[in-house]
Amino acid sequence: EAGVTQSPRYAVLQEGQAVSFWCDPISGHDTLYWYQQPRDQGPQLLVYFRDEAVIDNSQLPSDRFSAVRPKGTNSTLKIQSAKQGDTATYLCASSPGTGVDTQYFGPGTRLLVL
Amino acid sequence: QQQVRQSSQSLTVWEGETAILNCSYENSAFDYFPWYQQFPGEGPALLIAIRSVSDKKEDGRFTIFFNKREKNLSLHIKDSQPGDSATYFCAASAGSNYQLIWGSGTKLIIKP
Repeated sequence: EAGVTQSPRYAVLQEGQAVSFWCDPISGHDTLYWYQQPRDQGPQLLVYFRDEAVIDNSQLPSDRFSAVRPKGTNSTLKIQSAKQGDTATYLCASSPGTGVDTQYFGPGTRLLVL
Repeated sequence: QQQVRQSSQSLTVWEGETAILNCSYENSAFDYFPWYQQFPGEGPALLIAIRSVSDKKEDGRFTIFFNKREKNLSLHIKDSQPGDSATYFCAASAGSNYQLIWGSGTKLIIKP
């Protein structure tokens, strides 16, 4: 069974540029999470979906960040007008059910904003 | 204020010793505590987890000891090996809230 895949693996931007991250969860997993992981810190939840619905996006900086999961499968996280403080690894995870299931993580996208 | 706290940023032990990683939490409603292992360049992966109704969970060389009264838990890695060198995250969640609250991680180095 294929794991969670993410692309790109790396991105380098100048401040003010936009970037999109793509995630393909494990087939059949209805819950998808996006995390931000600054260097040497734990993951911090940005948003999570059940199927195509946003369950919680309260930690998403809504003025510059957006996330969609239109068909309840793949998801895209977009940063408009990136800032140096956005430098981090962006992790996508999926889980199979609606309980507190194991979250399966992708390898992440490492973003550097200059 | 950090709800899940890992007091050691890093820990070094010799191969064959038992590594002990500590975690404490503040929210009495937390009832599920997974430990995730993360290698450089990879996402975290679930290692072992415990629910608050138990005080111990064992899986091979890995054991969680849980103290509900003191709101702390520890991960013991017996017979530690160089391949165990990684960052370990303690996390917690409460009831039907599926959000995990993560600690800041402990980087474990096993010296051969």
